Amino acid sequence: DIVLTQSPGTLSLSPGERATLSCRASQSVLSDYLAWYQQKPGQAPRLLIYGASSRATGIPNRFSGSGSGTDFTLTISRLEPEDFAVYYCQQYGRSPDTFGQGTKLEIK
Amino acid sequence: EVQMVQSGVEVAKPGESLKISCKASGYDFSTYWIGWVRQMPGKGLEWMGVVYPGDSFTRYSPSFQGQVTISADKSHTTAYLQWRTLKASDSAIYYCARMQTYMGFDFWGQGTLVTVSS
Repeated sequence: DIVLTQSPGTLSLSPGERATLSCRASQSVLSDYLAWYQQKPGQAPRLLIYGASSRATGIPNRFSGSGSGTDFTLTISRLEPEDFAVYYCQQYGRSPDTFGQGTKLEIK
Repeated sequence: EVQMVQSGVEVAKPGESLKISCKASGYDFSTYWIGWVRQMPGKGLEWMGVVYPGDSFTRYSPSFQGQVTISADKSHTTAYLQWRTLKASDSAIYYCARMQTYMGFDFWGQGTLVTVSS
């Protein structure tokens, strides 16, 4: 199975700052089939980014994804109060699909 | 509008069987994979497996193979996750989600809380 390691585990930032979240794969992700999800307490996850860099429908352009192969990044250019949540990466290029362990983005 | 609506909270005893559901609407049910994801209390997301309703083909994570059964009923546009013998460690929230091959999980259900306790 492909293991996804997210870092940092927790990121403490203030609204208006830039957030950079990392997702590293234990082997190359096929076709860059790497997605990012946001999950707020008591809610289901929401798809933000797919194919490593494509924004899902309705996702604000302050969210961007980059990377290929084994190293991927989710960037939030300017944090809004509603962005504080847990973020997960997922690879869906090689079965079984796998998730990273998550990064908690908290208000500083 | 695509919707994935899951069945309600379940409380069961160890050793019992259980089947939870995910009713899909707003799209062609037969042509999209549906997956199940586990989230244990205070923990992250775990990919369990997927089913293709068009032909009922399934793929499982090795961690869940043989522990659960994933199925789909085209006539009711509903996917299912079932256990034959529940354990306390099966207590979790279970999410269903529609999967697109090139996108991952694009629409999610609201989650079903399963509590297994004697």
